[in-house]
Amino acid sequence: EAGVAQSPRYKIIEKRQSVAFWCNPISGHATLYWYQQILGQGPKLLIQFQNNGVVDDSQLPKDRFSAERLKGVDSTLKIQPAKLEDSAVYLCANSDSRSGNTIYFGEGSWLTVV
Amino acid sequence: QQQVKQSPQSLIVQKGGISIINCAYENTAFDYFPWYQQFPGKGPALLIAIRPDVSEKKEGRFTISFNKSAKQFSLHIMDSQPGDSATYFCAASKTGGYNKLIFGAGTRLAVHP
Repeated sequence: EAGVAQSPRYKIIEKRQSVAFWCNPISGHATLYWYQQILGQGPKLLIQFQNNGVVDDSQLPKDRFSAERLKGVDSTLKIQPAKLEDSAVYLCANSDSRSGNTIYFGEGSWLTVV
Repeated sequence: QQQVKQSPQSLIVQKGGISIINCAYENTAFDYFPWYQQFPGKGPALLIAIRPDVSEKKEGRFTISFNKSAKQFSLHIMDSQPGDSATYFCAASKTGGYNKLIFGAGTRLAVHP
C-alpha cells in the first residue's frame, strides 16, 4: 500500500508571497487532514476533510489559508499572503475506518518564510 | 479541555536503560491514545496505541500504561537502543466523531551508546 505523498518537500518564499502544497492520500482513505508542525512543537490540526467535505477548520487562519479536496482524493493547501510565523512543516495525513482509524502521515512539506 | 500535556521535553538515556514519557489529558470523552514516533525529516509514524478499557498494552519493547482515573498515560521503552533516538508524541482523540487527534508537545529522546 503506497503511503501519503506530499509535494513539494521544501519551499522557501518571501513574506507576502503565496505557496501551495499538494497531498495525494492513501487510496480509498476517506478522511484527510492537514496539520501544521512548528519546530519544537506537536502537530496542530488546521483542517479535516471527510471525503470532499470540510468537517473541522476551526484552527485554520482563513484570512490567509485555504484548502480544498478535489473529488474526495487529492488535496491542496494554499497560503496567501505568507507571514514569517507560517514557517513550519505542513503534514498531510489520512485515515479510514477500515484501517481502524489509524492516522497515517506523509513526510511533510517544509516551508521557510523569509 | 482539549489539551494533552507531555513531559519531559527531552530525555537522555543510556543504551539498555528504560525510557519513560508521560502524558496527561483533560477531556474525559477521549477514548483513543496513540503514541507517534518521528525521526528528523520524516512524518510522525504510529508506534503503539491504547483504548481506556485496558490499563496496559505491550508491543515488543514498547509498553503503554494507562490510568483512567488520573487521566494519565505513559510510554515505556525497555532496553532502549540508539535507534530509538527520535521525538515521541502522545496524542488523544474521541473516535466516535471525526477522529481528530490532539497532540502533546513532544519529547526528544536521545539514547547514548
